[in-house]
Amino acid sequence: QKEVEQDPGPLSVPEGAIVSLNCTYSNSAFQYFMWYRQYSRKGPELLMYTYSSGNKEDGRFTAQVDKSSKYISLFIRDSQPSDSATYLCAMSRGKNFGNEKLTFGTGTRLTIIP
Amino acid sequence: NAGVTQTPKFQVLKTGQSMTLQCAQDMNHNSMYWYRQDPGMGLRLIYYSASEGTTDKGEVPNGYNVSRLNKREFSLRLESAAPSQTSVYFCASRWGGDQPQHFGDGTRLSIL
Repeated sequence: QKEVEQDPGPLSVPEGAIVSLNCTYSNSAFQYFMWYRQYSRKGPELLMYTYSSGNKEDGRFTAQVDKSSKYISLFIRDSQPSDSATYLCAMSRGKNFGNEKLTFGTGTRLTIIP
Repeated sequence: NAGVTQTPKFQVLKTGQSMTLQCAQDMNHNSMYWYRQDPGMGLRLIYYSASEGTTDKGEVPNGYNVSRLNKREFSLRLESAAPSQTSVYFCASRWGGDQPQHFGDGTRLSIL
């Protein structure tokens, strides 16, 4: 069983829809949670970064962490064609662990249809 | 704002050839990382350097070596390339503490 599970999709939604992307994990030591966006033939770009449980909002993007369920989500409101990309969740045990190493999900490919 | 720069962007090798992938960052970051990305496998850590002068193995280090040349540069070497090493290789860096990693645009490597 992988430490981090992510539905690979692909996921296609019409422009303007709300998108929900999710990851589950098994390691309760994870404290830092990230979402990266990766456009085709580009490197991952950090989108959202949260610590422990709760919500964090940045414009049209909301990251949600539920540590009790070991479940994280990324919501995209008013989705745009420019949001079409692969979204990777990532997590780590955090700075107190020493050398921070990220564990990634496999990514969800999202297409926003105009 | 160059960020993390990887060279080359593309490379084709024959089995048994050697190759060094270069990575440089201009953000004064302390830690640097090498990942490979394969379909259905996600990003997997090959080696990392927590600070200048140190390197450690990640999840999939076999067949690779690294050198932290200075604070800016971290290279990945394939001594005898194998078809199983066909992948997209990403370098990343971060300052430290609770700061996140920043990635380059990758090197696409094919081994025939």
